[in-house]
Amino acid sequence: ETGVTQTPRHLVMGMTNKKSLKCEQHLGHNAMYWYKQSAKKPLELMFVYNFKEQTENNSVPSRFSPECPNSSHLFLHLHTLQPEDSALYLCASSQDRYRLAGGDDTGELFFGEGSRLTVL
Amino acid sequence: TQLLEQSPQFLSIQEGENLTVYCNSSSVFSSLQWYRQEPGEGPVLLVTVVTGGEVKKLKRLTFQFGDARKDSSLHITAAQPGDTGLYLCAGVVYNFNKFYFGSGTKLNVKP
Repeated sequence: ETGVTQTPRHLVMGMTNKKSLKCEQHLGHNAMYWYKQSAKKPLELMFVYNFKEQTENNSVPSRFSPECPNSSHLFLHLHTLQPEDSALYLCASSQDRYRLAGGDDTGELFFGEGSRLTVL
Repeated sequence: TQLLEQSPQFLSIQEGENLTVYCNSSSVFSSLQWYRQEPGEGPVLLVTVVTGGEVKKLKRLTFQFGDARKDSSLHITAAQPGDTGLYLCAGVVYNFNKFYFGSGTKLNVKP
């Protein structure tokens, strides 16, 4: 089983729909992240959770609502999105939040394959 | 303005050519990482550099961290079509504990 699994891989929704993206990590990590990746912008950090607690919200509109019920699962609830929200949404995990690399620790982020979202 | 600027943004070369991708910042970083993202996949870590002046090699890829820890480069020797992808540098800003991704370099290696 892969380290970080995201579902669905593809999602098409209307502006009035409510949907959710799901992320699950099997690596025993304590930190989980949501990133947005669009054609015109590099990876944009949206939310960070460390030990199930939200530690960062990078001015993300309230139409995106994260949920982290435990250290292994992360959700992104979507409501009344705009067409400009169409993008690849990537989930990632790491041992701890932004663990600094040193010695044998690479401070690596492990990414899922992403959920490609299209808002009509 | 991006904290980490990568250049070039796009690179299309023939198989067998060499190339260098740059990652520059005005900020000092505690560590820098390079990731490769293939189409339809998430980014995968290639290397982490921690010490100023450090050079790391991964087969045909050579990574260097600048002496002042503000920049890094990735050099690929004899590029192959399998090297095609988006290359992203990323790092933790020194004393600030914030993690940033660079703007990315999209590489296409033609057979």
